[in-house]
Amino acid sequence: GAGVSQSPRYKVAKRGQDVALRCDPISGHVSLFWYQQALGQGPEFLTYFQNEAQLDKSGLPSDRFFAERPEGSVSTLKIQRTQQEDSAVYLCASSLLRVDTEAFFGQGTRLTVV
Amino acid sequence: AQSVTQPDIHITVSEGASLELRCNYSYGATPYLFWYVQSPGQGLQLLLKYFSGDTLVQGIKGFEAEFKRSQSSFNLRKPSVHWSDAAEYFCAVVPILTGGGNKLTFGTGTQLKVEL
Repeated sequence: GAGVSQSPRYKVAKRGQDVALRCDPISGHVSLFWYQQALGQGPEFLTYFQNEAQLDKSGLPSDRFFAERPEGSVSTLKIQRTQQEDSAVYLCASSLLRVDTEAFFGQGTRLTVV
Repeated sequence: AQSVTQPDIHITVSEGASLELRCNYSYGATPYLFWYVQSPGQGLQLLLKYFSGDTLVQGIKGFEAEFKRSQSSFNLRKPSVHWSDAAEYFCAVVPILTGGGNKLTFGTGTQLKVEL
């Protein structure tokens, strides 16, 4: 596609419910990132994939967060047993492999846990 | 500790006035530097980036930024602000020596309001 696509755009989950957020990166982009943006804050790194390999998951806040990219393209961020503190915008970005290349961001998924 | 600081949380300028948004970083070596803009309900859009070379960088929408190594700063400027520039602006860095791809570390953002 022309850009990074994320779905759903909005998600309301009851506390304790599991959610899955999808990211469809730009075709051919090797690198894929997930960020979490709390209200009034800058995005914070969650995890990084190079193709299907998850090379860095140091930003995942707890073992309730899990991400995968099984075929090196579409990625899913899963949050189990959601808590109110998980409420945030989840941003996906993709880029070519080189460090000095631009990361393109999707519009994000706004998750509200009630 | 490595960090990116945007000291101004909110800035209000009149349309047509000049703008400067501040960004300071604290890293052992000069990282790659970026400015992103985020409009309500929109994803982050890259305005400009600095990797090396000329310290004055031109970006989209009439923005520019100047890298000053001595001050560890990368301030964003625009000579004449338009009402459509109202948005949140984020400074971000990628450490040069990284094994984690171009993982961005963002500042907390500056919310720009433009008065007509």
